Amino acid sequence: GAVVSQHPSRVICKSGTSVKIECRSLDFQATTMFWYRQFPKQSLMLMATSNEGSKATYEQGVEKDKFLINHASLTLSTLTVTSAHPEDSSFYICSASVHSSPLHFGNGTRLTVT
Amino acid sequence: DQQVKQNSPSLSVQEGRISILNCDYTNSMFDYFLWYKKYPAEGPTFLISISSIKDKNEDGRFTVFLNKSAKHLSLHIVPSQPGDSAVYFCAATFSGSARQLTFGSGTQLTVLP
Repeated sequence: GAVVSQHPSRVICKSGTSVKIECRSLDFQATTMFWYRQFPKQSLMLMATSNEGSKATYEQGVEKDKFLINHASLTLSTLTVTSAHPEDSSFYICSASVHSSPLHFGNGTRLTVT
Repeated sequence: DQQVKQNSPSLSVQEGRISILNCDYTNSMFDYFLWYKKYPAEGPTFLISISSIKDKNEDGRFTVFLNKSAKHLSLHIVPSQPGDSAVYFCAATFSGSARQLTFGSGTQLTVLP
């Protein structure tokens, strides 16, 4: 079946640095990918919708200049957390779908900012 | 405002018995509902879904029931197995949303051997 690969699975960075997270659809072309964020014991919150070849659509309250999304191809979307701060520490998950099939999720990235 | 609610953060069930996980929603525009299962440090895995034109969908040990008038859905797992222990998320979406999902906060299911 469809598989979404997310890398890295875990990253620790210092405050003020930037971190890039990659999301790849391995055996299908995803025109749309989604980026979610999950805080402990809370639901997954949609951050942005990433469309191939165009600008991402951000949810209310999500800073587009801080969370840069690039969807350069039909199989790759990247999320860059710029000038990371400890409050950005969270679990970030990407997802993608093919036509009307249910969303498939990556395994997530645990970001810790020290 | 939480549009999708899972009011039980945890549920413990004996192996072999039925597990019932509940979910409520407030947005009447939602017309497609999904259940995802999540293990620690992994992304959610799709389990089962239901369209608003149905009131029941069954797949093996998993059955999802939808009560549109009550804006309520439930996931039944029978018989429950220890491997079912995970966090279960209810999610909802609506036509034309490009598959954007609104998730509940999850229910930790523990199946006791």
